[in-house]
Amino acid sequence: ETGVTQSPTHLIKTRGQQVTLRCSSQSGHNTVSWYQQALGQGPQFIFQYYREEENGRGNFPPRFSGLQFPNYSSELNVNALELDDSALYLCASSRPSGGASRATQYFGPGTRLTVL
Amino acid sequence: QKEVEQDPGPLSVPEGAIVSLNCTYSNSAFQYFMWYRQYSRKGPELLMYTYSSGNKEDGRFTAQVDKSSKYISLFIRDSQPSDSATYLCAMNYGGATNKLIFGTGTLLAVQP
Repeated sequence: ETGVTQSPTHLIKTRGQQVTLRCSSQSGHNTVSWYQQALGQGPQFIFQYYREEENGRGNFPPRFSGLQFPNYSSELNVNALELDDSALYLCASSRPSGGASRATQYFGPGTRLTVL
Repeated sequence: QKEVEQDPGPLSVPEGAIVSLNCTYSNSAFQYFMWYRQYSRKGPELLMYTYSSGNKEDGRFTAQVDKSSKYISLFIRDSQPSDSATYLCAMNYGGATNKLIFGTGTLLAVQP
């Protein structure tokens, strides 16, 4: 069973630029969530995609947007980058069934974004 | 007030010690409780999850949930240097959007 994968591993951008991060969900998982983890903090929920539609969003501005594709892979796009966007961006996938299986999420290794 | 509170540590223990990690929360609607382990510069790894109140054991790890006190714990028996990592508690409501609410994480160092 293939786990959650993310690309790229590291990324350096300058303020004002745009970035796209990619995620492939674990085999059999159709729900993908994105989280931002600042240094020394727990991950913060950005949004979730289920069946190619946004299915919940955290307290992040509209310049954070996403997509999910028919194969359940996903992208996170961030426009007009700010210095505070520097963080580890994590993708997590979960199973389509209900209860605990759907509630538990499995994380990828993350993409470390540095904004200069 | 944060929804989930967790002592950031750091917590340093000798090898073989019993480690107790804890989180408190404010929202009684939480249904599922998880513990993740995160090594430096890596993604969180799911250790255990528990539904509602009770205990769950998996090898050297025991998770406890006390919904009446809004308090969850993770115990690690016979701790090893390889257990050195940040431990994150996480919870969710179990609804349509199963977003996880995390604590800040506790940094654990097990000294050989």
